[in-house]
Amino acid sequence: AIQLTQSPSSLSASVGDRVTITCRTSEGISSALAWYHQKPGKAPKLLIYDASSLQRGVPSRFSGSGSGTDFTLTISSLQPEDCGTYYCQQFNSYPLTFGGGTKVEIK
Amino acid sequence: QVQLQESGPGLVKPSQTLSLTCSVSGESISTAGYYWSWIRQHPGKGLEWIGFIFHSGSTSYNPSLRSGVTISLDTSKNQFSLKLTSVTAADTAVYYCASASGGYYPFDFWGQGTLVTVSS
Repeated sequence: AIQLTQSPSSLSASVGDRVTITCRTSEGISSALAWYHQKPGKAPKLLIYDASSLQRGVPSRFSGSGSGTDFTLTISSLQPEDCGTYYCQQFNSYPLTFGGGTKVEIK
Repeated sequence: QVQLQESGPGLVKPSQTLSLTCSVSGESISTAGYYWSWIRQHPGKGLEWIGFIFHSGSTSYNPSLRSGVTISLDTSKNQFSLKLTSVTAADTAVYYCASASGGYYPFDFWGQGTLVTVSS
């Protein structure tokens, strides 16, 4: 199974800050990567697919980049509603796997 | 827009069978191309894909899970189900059903999740 390693595991940032989360895969997956945002007690919500495509309805402050084994999720200007945990997921091969998550807190 | 809703017992005894159902609205589960999955999240932990079922009834399961996982379709009720036999405390988790628009697509719609606790 392809393993996904996210970093950092947690971060604290102020409203308006630029935030970057990385996801590294154990083998190349082309651009078959998605990013999700999960708030406590809620289901994950798809933000980014195909590494850099913004899901409909997701604010443009979210962006994704990368291909192969190294990927990045960027929030250009952190907002209070962006707190929660972010997960990357690969859909290049089965079994489908997720990263361990990055918890984002607002200072 | 696809909507999914999990249902089933919140408490299961060890060694018994966990059974959950996902009711789908906004799309027929018989529609070609959709993959209907179960995903779980252990308390305070990350996400684990359990398996999927295709509109034809074909299935694929995560090999890291022990045997005893079955996902099935009920097209008459527009539902799909998860059965996990011989459960242990390690199966305590929030279980989500989710859909993807293809076999190599992300999960674009999710149910709200249901907590299943395995305890005597």
